[in-house]
Amino acid sequence: EAGVAQSPRYKIIEKRQSVAFWCNPISGHATLYWYQQILGQGPKLLIQFQNNGVVDDSQLPKDRFSAERLKGVDSTLKIQPAKLEDSAVYLCASSLTRGEQFFGPGTRLTVL
Amino acid sequence: DQQVKQNSPSLSVQEGRISILNCDYTNSMFDYFLWYKKYPAEGPTFLISISSIKDKNEDGRFTVFLNKSAKHLSLHIVPSQPGDSAVYFCAASARTYKYIFGTGTRLKVLA
Repeated sequence: EAGVAQSPRYKIIEKRQSVAFWCNPISGHATLYWYQQILGQGPKLLIQFQNNGVVDDSQLPKDRFSAERLKGVDSTLKIQPAKLEDSAVYLCASSLTRGEQFFGPGTRLTVL
Repeated sequence: DQQVKQNSPSLSVQEGRISILNCDYTNSMFDYFLWYKKYPAEGPTFLISISSIKDKNEDGRFTVFLNKSAKHLSLHIVPSQPGDSAVYFCAASARTYKYIFGTGTRLKVLA
């Protein structure tokens, strides 16, 4: 069974630039999550999709972050414009049930 | 407001001994808990879970204990192996698919 795929693995941008991350979840997993993990902290949920509908985006900074899930499968997370404090690892996860979430390798974003 | 706390940022244990990682929570509505292990440059991988209707769950070398009255859970690894060296996160959920993660504990198992 293929795992959760994410790209790119690393990205370096200047502040005020835009950036996009891509995630392909495990086949058949209806629930998809985007997390932000700042160094020294635990993952923080940004947005949760159930199929292609948003279930929870209460911690998504909507003035600069956006996300979509195309046809209930792949998802993209965009930041526009980026700030220095957006430097973090962005993790995508998917799940079939309420229990175990399967995480991708993450994208490490550095904003200069 | 940190609803899930892992107060020990790091822990060192000798190979073959027991590792005990602790997690405290404040929300009495949490009813399902997960433990994840994370190696550098990789995403977290699931270790073990426990529902609030249980006080113990065991899977091989890993056992999770839940004390609801104290709002405390712990992960025991016996015996500890060098490959267990990683950052461990606990996570909690209140009847939804949304999990709140702790800040993690870095475990180092010394050979």
